[in-house]
Amino acid sequence: SQQGEEDPQALSIQEGENATMNCSYKTSINNLQWYRQNSGRGLVHLILIRSNEREKHSGRLRVTLDTSKKSSSLLITASRAADTASYFCATEAAAQKLVFGQGTRLTINP
Amino acid sequence: DVKVTQSSRYLVKRTGEKVFLECVQDMDHENMFWYRQDPGLGLRLIYFSYDVKMKEKGDIPEGYSVSREKKERFSLILESASTNQTSMYLCASSSHGTGSNEQYFGPGTRLTVT
Repeated sequence: SQQGEEDPQALSIQEGENATMNCSYKTSINNLQWYRQNSGRGLVHLILIRSNEREKHSGRLRVTLDTSKKSSSLLITASRAADTASYFCATEAAAQKLVFGQGTRLTINP
Repeated sequence: DVKVTQSSRYLVKRTGEKVFLECVQDMDHENMFWYRQDPGLGLRLIYFSYDVKMKEKGDIPEGYSVSREKKERFSLILESASTNQTSMYLCASSSHGTGSNEQYFGPGTRLTVT
């Protein structure tokens, strides 16, 4: 069952610009998480936001959560070439289980 | 440094073969998961386990089975491999604690069934 839908599917920006990715989901959640995947590798956890939180920061990452709209956004500021990767949102609805979106492929051009 | 390892990065098998994918974690995590990842479909959960000898079906368990005899090891078994099981397989683990259940992923096994 696919819970998270990400938008856009692909994003290409210049180095130094900000990148914004969006995630929508269907059911009530305990928390929402964002992961990064470099090409052909496993996923790496970036940030977790709980259902009672509205915004969270971690370094150049800013995540917002709007439970009334069932949506979240991930903002990467001052992008770098190393940020080139696929980004996935994942929602925890049932205990311990995550449901992943299809991902946004981000390309940072030098 | 936490680590999840998978037995192979790349694997090529023939149709009808029995295939074992092994996953080991060194973080004493209770939960372990097997996903497959296909272009345009994202990650889909095959099976997961909350504890030793326990297993639960995920969203796409057909054609797969699992084994968890030890806490650190979770095996995915393709009883009779088919070409539609060609995919990237990702193993992950997490702890039971509420609010801190981020998953740690292995590097993945790219399986090709010919």
